[in-house]
Amino acid sequence: GAGVSQSPRYKVAKRGQDVALRCDPISGHVSLFWYQQALGQGPEFLTYFQNEAQLDKSGLPSDRFFAERPEGSVSTLKIQRTQQEDSAVYLCASSKSRGGDSYNEQFFGPGTRLTVL
Amino acid sequence: GQQVMQIPQYQHVQEGEDFTTYCNSSTTLSNIQWYKQRPGGHPVFLIQLVKSGEVKKQKRLTFQFGEAKKNSSLHITATQTTDVGTYFCAGPTGGGNKLTFGTGTQLKVEL
Repeated sequence: GAGVSQSPRYKVAKRGQDVALRCDPISGHVSLFWYQQALGQGPEFLTYFQNEAQLDKSGLPSDRFFAERPEGSVSTLKIQRTQQEDSAVYLCASSKSRGGDSYNEQFFGPGTRLTVL
Repeated sequence: GQQVMQIPQYQHVQEGEDFTTYCNSSTTLSNIQWYKQRPGGHPVFLIQLVKSGEVKKQKRLTFQFGEAKKNSSLHITATQTTDVGTYFCAGPTGGGNKLTFGTGTQLKVEL
């Protein structure tokens, strides 16, 4: 029982390749978040889902980044035509809450370390 | 946009010494959360503070939320090697649908 799982744990891509990162949130968690964490920095928000609805994608750095959660559980973050600056750890987190002032703790997955050569 | 700064960026202490990290937000927060990230690990939730002036304790850890709800602190008494890691504060923004993380304080504890 699990916590949040992510796969793959490590991904090496050549510049220009497309990658897909998977997140399995805690069962029953409504909210799902994607963050990007560069070395030595705090996590930076990318996007947020409430069930299957993507309510906030303001943190996605470019239109090469796309995320989906079609059935309100598993989510995939896709990066097209990867660039070296995309190298980072991509963290997924889930939460019971629906956001707002009733904000609850987020449970983070182990992350996917993406290296773009 | 909202900024959340933490000081210090790094702290080295001898085991048994106390440690404090300070968190300052450019805007008022409805609540603040603290996370710990061990080297090579992922952020793990420690606590959430909601009320102005709130103080919470977890064993050797004491968390405070400022009266103006724009700053917070984490104090560890008598550090141990198990306290090693980076401590982040985080506040909800964008209507509460996302967390803005602070810059983090990396704690190293030497024997």
